[in-house]
Parts: sequence; C-alpha cells; structure tokens
Amino acid sequence: QVRLMESGGGVVQPGRSLRLSCMASGLNFGAYSMFWVRQAPGKGLDWVAFIGHHGDAAYYADSVKGRFAISRDNSRNTLYLQMDNLRPDDTAIYFCARAACVPRCSPDFSNYYMAVWGEGTTVTVSS
Amino acid sequence: QTVVTQEPSLSVSPGGTITLTCGLNSGPVSINNFASWYQQSPGQPPRSLIHSTNLRSSGVPNRFAGSILGVKAALTITGAQADDESDFYCALYGGGGTWMFGGGTKLTVL
Repeated sequence: QVRLMESGGGVVQPGRSLRLSCMASGLNFGAYSMFWVRQAPGKGLDWVAFIGHHGDAAYYADSVKGRFAISRDNSRNTLYLQMDNLRPDDTAIYFCARAACVPRCSPDFSNYYMAVWGEGTTVTVSS
Repeated sequence: QTVVTQEPSLSVSPGGTITLTCGLNSGPVSINNFASWYQQSPGQPPRSLIHSTNLRSSGVPNRFAGSILGVKAALTITGAQADDESDFYCALYGGGGTWMFGGGTKLTVL
C-alpha cells in the first residue's frame, strides 16, 4: 500500500526558513515524479512545486519561485521542500502527492496529475 | 493573471445528477489542459477522481464522469449519495510545467 508521510511543519517567524519532508513507502519512489500542494486555512488547493523522478526537472508556482526549492533523495525515498524567506501568506497545510500519468507520460509533464496524497503537515508563519 | 473558475457551491438531491464545471478566465478549456478532479472531505486530504479530462482514477465508481462541455471541463455525478457531500477541486495544466487549481465547489446532498 502506498503511503506518503509529511513532516517538518511548525510555527515559524516571517523571514525564517523551514524544510518539509515527505517519506514514501510501498512504492518504487525513484520511478515517480512528485508534487507539493498547499491549502491555506479555510481555502482551496494551491499547487506549489513539481519535481521529475530523477530530480532534474523542477517547476514552481510564481508565488514561491525564488524562495522555495523542491528536491528529492531517491536512496532515502524522501521528497523535500526547502522554504526560505517565509511570509504569513505561506501559512497552510502542505501536502505531498505522487504523480501519475496514464496511459503514457507526456515529455512536457502536461498529463501528470496528483494520484496519491499524504495527510499533510501544517506550517504557520507568524510573529 | 489566469484564473480557474468553479461554482462556489451546488446542491443535489440523493439519487440525482449534478454537473460541476471548471473554466478559464482567459479562454476555453481544451483537452490540452488535461483537467483533473479531486474530492476532499472535511479534515481529509484530497483524493483523485478524474484525470486527463475523462479518465477515472483507480477505484473511482463510474457514476463520476469527466468531460468537456462547451468551453469548460465538467464533472458529472450521477446517482448522488450522501457521502458525496464534500469539496470538489479541478486542476488544469497551464503549460511550462505549471498547474492551476480552481477555487473549489462545495457540494451539498440534500
């Protein structure tokens, strides 16, 4: 059974940094691209970042570009999100999600979707 | 700025049929946006329902169907059940390795 477990959330002051982790089990982690998606309190879903299965392709939402960095360690079955210069509007539950692309994967990632989701970890940015 | 639009709220009677839509303020939604749909119950993570416009995710019953209706992507639920009461989100591929979510539709079954 595929399981994704996020960790690393907490309360942090504006301008500080935090690194989130997402440990995967029950799958060949290195074969899958991954997403980070967040959800502010009482709000909708917001795509944050995407990383290809080798870690060589990474894309970001404009709202986090230059402040957040997605990475992965396939030997540890773990996805990361380094969040720097945090702002109050980054306050949210952060979900990692395993990507899928069926029946064939587009080389530009266009048909990738969030197939399996973790439970999320909460980040609060407040002074 | 491109915005993905969804109905904020809809209601359906038990056993009834309802269609949720997903549009773009910049133009029509096409199959090249690879619309996907997610269901989220309170306090739970989302779960995947539909991808690539009309393909059902694993384990999703066939009373959930995706399509393009006119200039929007659509999710049609037939035979609505009480436990369908939840939030539904669409996501569109925006090009250049970006994805965009709609604001979500809160579905009430009553």
